[in-house]
Amino acid sequence: DAGVTQSPTHLIKTRGQQVTLRCSPKSGHDTVSWYQQALGQGPQFIFQYYEEEERQRGNFPDRFSGHQFPNYSSELNVNALLLGDSALYLCASSLGVRDSPLHFGNGTRLTVT
Amino acid sequence: RKEVEQDPGPFNVPEGATVAFNCTYSNSASQSFFWYRQDCRKEPKLLMSVYSSGNEDGRFTAQLNRASQYISLLIRDSKLSDSATYLCVVNYPRSGNTGKLIFGQGTTLQVKP
Repeated sequence: DAGVTQSPTHLIKTRGQQVTLRCSPKSGHDTVSWYQQALGQGPQFIFQYYEEEERQRGNFPDRFSGHQFPNYSSELNVNALLLGDSALYLCASSLGVRDSPLHFGNGTRLTVT
Repeated sequence: RKEVEQDPGPFNVPEGATVAFNCTYSNSASQSFFWYRQDCRKEPKLLMSVYSSGNEDGRFTAQLNRASQYISLLIRDSKLSDSATYLCVVNYPRSGNTGKLIFGQGTTLQVKP
């Protein structure tokens, strides 16, 4: 039973560049949520995808965008990277849009220099 | 006021001690509550859901106080392996949808021999 998988594991980008992070949900899950976790902070909600649509969004600028594919996998795109975007990006999957518990991937650690 | 607030600690306790964490939330319409555990540089993992009547899972007890809008986690007979960050998670509902799951900053527990 495959859990949530994210790629890449680590990434180093330069300020102003664009980045795409990928996530495959746990088998049987259809909802994907993305979180940003800075050092010493709790995960901050970016957005949630269900049925290939963005269903909920946190307080993140439009530079953060996403997509969900028919196979439920998802991408997170960040444009015009800032130094402050350096963080651990966590993908979490769940079943349906009810509040079923989240299952997290190992995360992608993004460093912006 | 933050949506979900926790005392970041750290809580330093000896093995065998009982320790309690509290978490307050701001949205009185919240319906779902969880505690997650996060080890250093790892992804969060579900520890337990929190039910209205309170619930217990081995050495862990979770309580919900809707009137005061806080949840608590009690750990009895602390083990060295309990050392981690404990994240309080609350849903923020939206009509016709589940809303989003919001994490607190986390409370760090260090159990000493």
